[in-house]
Amino acid sequence: SYVLTQPPSVSVAPGQTATITCGGNNIGSQSVHWYQQRPGQAPVLVVYDDTDRPSDIPERFSGFNFGNTATLTISRVEAGDEADYYCQLWDGDSDHYVFGSGTTVTVL
Amino acid sequence: EVQLVESGGGFLQPGGSLRLSCTASKLNFSNYWVHWVRQGPGKGLVWVSRITSDGRSTSYADSVKGRFTISRDKAKNTVYLQMNSLRVEDTAVYYCVREGGDGYPTWYFDLWGRGTLVTVSS
Repeated sequence: SYVLTQPPSVSVAPGQTATITCGGNNIGSQSVHWYQQRPGQAPVLVVYDDTDRPSDIPERFSGFNFGNTATLTISRVEAGDEADYYCQLWDGDSDHYVFGSGTTVTVL
Repeated sequence: EVQLVESGGGFLQPGGSLRLSCTASKLNFSNYWVHWVRQGPGKGLVWVSRITSDGRSTSYADSVKGRFTISRDKAKNTVYLQMNSLRVEDTAVYYCVREGGDGYPTWYFDLWGRGTLVTVSS
């Protein structure tokens, strides 16, 4: 089945930019979605269809997808962005939904 | 507030059975595809199962296929997950999740419940 690879952790200072990658074979040909999960809470959709944001998500969150890597970028990082982030896609060959292993973002 | 509410979690021994329920509050989610996603203690998100809006098509992760069954009752606005032959590794918080798209698939999850904990241990 399709595998999505994420770095376990990313550290960033407040006000700086955090970049979270999600690797997969020719992932650029798929639609990738991203979720934020704060400690003790359910996940929340932050980016869908590679680049779109739900209306209640700040513009600081953006996505890009090309080649073998999809990326979630968080600009002007705030303390409240500290969370786990997961990429996800639908694997049409198996009709399964796949999550990446997750990346913990730590705000220094 | 629109929300999904899971129930039915609990503690049980390996080999046991449990049925989880997911009810939509202030939402008729009969037109939506609905999923179960689980998260083991300290672990990442794992997709478990999906049911289409008409209930005619289902899909399962390999790890639960043949043991779990997803179903829905439109009259009760509820989706179920029947879990049989439970294993220690099934221990997790189980989230009920709505796939975005009123009447069509979108392949992403736009509404999550708070989850219900299932613990399987001897």
